Amino acid sequence: NAGVTQTPKFRILKIGQSMTLQCTQDMNHNYMYWYRQDPGMGLKLIYYSVGAGITDKGEVPNGYNVSRSTTEDFPLRLELAAPSQTSVYFCASSKLRGAGNTDTQYFGPGTRLTVL
Amino acid sequence: AQKVTQAQTEISVVEKEDVTLDCVYETRDTTYYLFWYKQPPSGELVFLIRRNSFDEQNEISGRYSWNFQKSTSSFNFTITASQVVDSAVYFCALRSIIQGAQKLVFGQGTRLTINP
Repeated sequence: NAGVTQTPKFRILKIGQSMTLQCTQDMNHNYMYWYRQDPGMGLKLIYYSVGAGITDKGEVPNGYNVSRSTTEDFPLRLELAAPSQTSVYFCASSKLRGAGNTDTQYFGPGTRLTVL
Repeated sequence: AQKVTQAQTEISVVEKEDVTLDCVYETRDTTYYLFWYKQPPSGELVFLIRRNSFDEQNEISGRYSWNFQKSTSSFNFTITASQVVDSAVYFCALRSIIQGAQKLVFGQGTRLTINP
């Protein structure tokens, strides 16, 4: 049981480049989330998904896109990288417990992205 | 609005001292969950505890204890007999139910340094 895995661990992009951050979970969790953590700050929600085919915006969605074609995978796409997107990105997942309640969110190891 | 405040940005103590990390939250929800996560220097986020709003019983797990007080909207975390391995950034988080989804709102974190 690997939990939540993320690739790559580190990446340096040039301004205007695009890339996809991969996230996979093997816990059969319905909910998946993408957060970013800027230096010295807490995490802010970018996008989340309540199940395959369903995604919605979080607090800071601009400049990002997501898709959820399977329960396991929730990739995050940066189309035109900007220096403001330099951050550590965390993917998380949680299980639906019923009655609209979810279990604890478990986090992946993070992807450190630098845009120069 | 949902908000979590961790007023202590950094704390530094000598090993074996007790230390308390403060967390104050704001929410209009009658049902909510509070969490503590640990982020060691390696960067991953480690789940420590979840507490629901109906359970004000204090929790103790080894050297860790948590004091939840609804009257003061606080969920403080105490480490007894601190060790160098406790050095990390600690995040308090509130799970709000916004538009039917489950979202974590994080505090800015407290950087705890335990000196030998």
